[in-house]
Amino acid sequence: RKEVEQDPGPFNVPEGATVAFNCTYSNSASQSFFWYRQDCRKEPKLLMSVYSSGNEDGRFTAQLNRASQYISLLIRDSKLSDSATYLCAVTNNNDMRFGAGTRLTVKP
Amino acid sequence: DADVTQTPRNRITKTGKRIMLECSQTKGHDRMYWYRQDPGLGLQLIYYSFDVKDINKGEISDGYSVSRQAQAKFSLSLESAIPNQTALYFCATSDLSGADTQYFGPGTRLTVL
Repeated sequence: RKEVEQDPGPFNVPEGATVAFNCTYSNSASQSFFWYRQDCRKEPKLLMSVYSSGNEDGRFTAQLNRASQYISLLIRDSKLSDSATYLCAVTNNNDMRFGAGTRLTVKP
Repeated sequence: DADVTQTPRNRITKTGKRIMLECSQTKGHDRMYWYRQDPGLGLQLIYYSFDVKDINKGEISDGYSVSRQAQAKFSLSLESAIPNQTALYFCATSDLSGADTQYFGPGTRLTVL
């Protein structure tokens, strides 16, 4: 079993839709959690860190559930420009592990 | 100018050849990483370094070696390239004060024939 697992998708949604991604991790000692965005053939870029209390940045909301060992990303009012692959990342003792990514396509 | 640069950006080589991929950063970060990305597998950590004298193996270090020549430079070598090392390679940096946030270079697309 992979340490970090994501539904690969693809998720195809219309503009304005709300979409949610989940990511599960196997190491209960994991310390830090992140969502990265990766556009086709480009490098991953940090979208947001995920805090225990949950956090929001505009249309994006990230949550952490330590008991069930998953993190989530909610995108509201999705835009065409949100089309990308979303990677979750989890660190334990300075070792960061990434999920394989969830591909999102937002259509007009 | 980009904070994390990688050279070359694209490389095609033959089985058995020695290849070096270079990474430079101007962010002043102590920590540097090499990952490879394959379709459906996500990013896998090859090696990482927390300072010039520190080198650590990641998930998939076999067939690779690294050199941390200076704080700003971290190179990845394939001593004898094989076709299953065909992948997209990313260098990344982080700073402890940044709570593990990693900043990636633009990637090197390597094809081994």
